Amino acid sequence: QSALAQPASVSGSPGQSISISCTGTSSDVGSYDLVSWYQQHPGKAPKLLIYEVTKRPSGVSDHFSGSKSGYTASLTISGLQAEDEADYYCCSFSPRRSAWIFGGGTKLTVL
Amino acid sequence: EVQLVESGGTLVQPGGSLRLSCTTSGFTLRRYWMSWVRQAPGKGLEWVAQINQDGTLEYYVDSVKGRFTISRDNANNFVYLQLNSLRAEDTALYYCARWDYFDYWGQGTLVTVSS
Repeated sequence: QSALAQPASVSGSPGQSISISCTGTSSDVGSYDLVSWYQQHPGKAPKLLIYEVTKRPSGVSDHFSGSKSGYTASLTISGLQAEDEADYYCCSFSPRRSAWIFGGGTKLTVL
Repeated sequence: EVQLVESGGTLVQPGGSLRLSCTTSGFTLRRYWMSWVRQAPGKGLEWVAQINQDGTLEYYVDSVKGRFTISRDNANNFVYLQLNSLRAEDTALYYCARWDYFDYWGQGTLVTVSS
């Protein structure tokens, strides 16, 4: 099962905004609004940031936001902070495969 | 406080078997789907398996179908992953995750498949 396509790396300066894209197909990202995003710091378990494309779990900062257009979902981080430096993964359900598909991950560097 | 604690990971030879356990606490296990997600060293996340609340529905990634089995014991708050016919490419940190969009994760247990 092919992973969703994410850029390998992105970078930005403190205070800037960046977006990470997650491109799939009509069989996953384009099927339903079941895209979620996770943050993973080195040596730590992933943390849920966004679910159902745009929703934030309780306790997650509102400087994280999600969106989707067609087969591409995006995570936007506004007002970059040093602690945002981490790996970010998108995930989508594929009804055709009855499987959850993760993106390959994006390493965010805060300059 | 929701807690998930995985155990059972170890070094195993190719073709061998292993059972991973996930001890859960802080929530009512029988109300949630549960999943296993793995991460090979230096690589990304890969969903492995998922089971519904009463254990009657199971789903697997293609690469483990017929080799891995997910199960659960709601009475004692455990989720399991039985790994059979292990291959080198199954080497990974295996995470147990609660399904509300994988909202809670354990710290993982390392499975190494090598001769």
